[in-house]
Amino acid sequence: SAVISQKPSRDICQRGTSLTIQCQVDSQVTMMFWYRQQPGQSLTLIATANQGSEATYESGFVIDKFPISRPNLTFSTLTVSNMSPEDSSIYLCSARPDAVNTEAFFGQGTRLTVV
Amino acid sequence: AQTVTQSQPEMSVQEAETVTLSCTYDTSESNYYLFWYKQPPSRQMILVIRQEAYKQQNATENRFSVNFQKAAKSFSLKISDSQLGDTAMYFCAFMIYYNQGGKLIFGQGTELSVKP
Repeated sequence: SAVISQKPSRDICQRGTSLTIQCQVDSQVTMMFWYRQQPGQSLTLIATANQGSEATYESGFVIDKFPISRPNLTFSTLTVSNMSPEDSSIYLCSARPDAVNTEAFFGQGTRLTVV
Repeated sequence: AQTVTQSQPEMSVQEAETVTLSCTYDTSESNYYLFWYKQPPSRQMILVIRQEAYKQQNATENRFSVNFQKAAKSFSLKISDSQLGDTAMYFCAFMIYYNQGGKLIFGQGTELSVKP
């Protein structure tokens, strides 16, 4: 299994600013993902964070808006840039330990409110 | 493209009774995995049960079991002897294992309330 810690757990930000969310896993994992969960809705994949290379973004999400870093096998960051009220959501980090284990583990999410 | 549909936005059940949550999906793939995740108010996503598409036998985990109908692309979750702690949002999810990096595609969710 893997335990995932996300920071911050919540934040209120001014529009036009940026917020970086950190995701720390207690063990080395092969795959890390970032999801967005808008109020009362399901989880939508933003991107797959690739270790040592650029993230792979899903349709509708771009690197300029959501830059992602993954410097090693236990850590990743997601930045929400130039925020607007529409970015108010819960952002969740997820990880799969290896290519064999199909279970994905999740952090507790970051609740972001943009005012 | 793969899609996952949960047609029941909300459901309620009396404590100790049985409830079934529905999920259908659409894919042209033959090898994939299906999951039910639970998200209580704490926001922590918890894996409830998983099913490999190549297995005909339905998965069970204690009070939780699935009815997997591959031809019908249906994957329902049955919760027996419902407990107050089962109150949560339940998401059905789909994953193609070897392609697309193993990402999860989620349904819209079903909010389950267990009443005393």
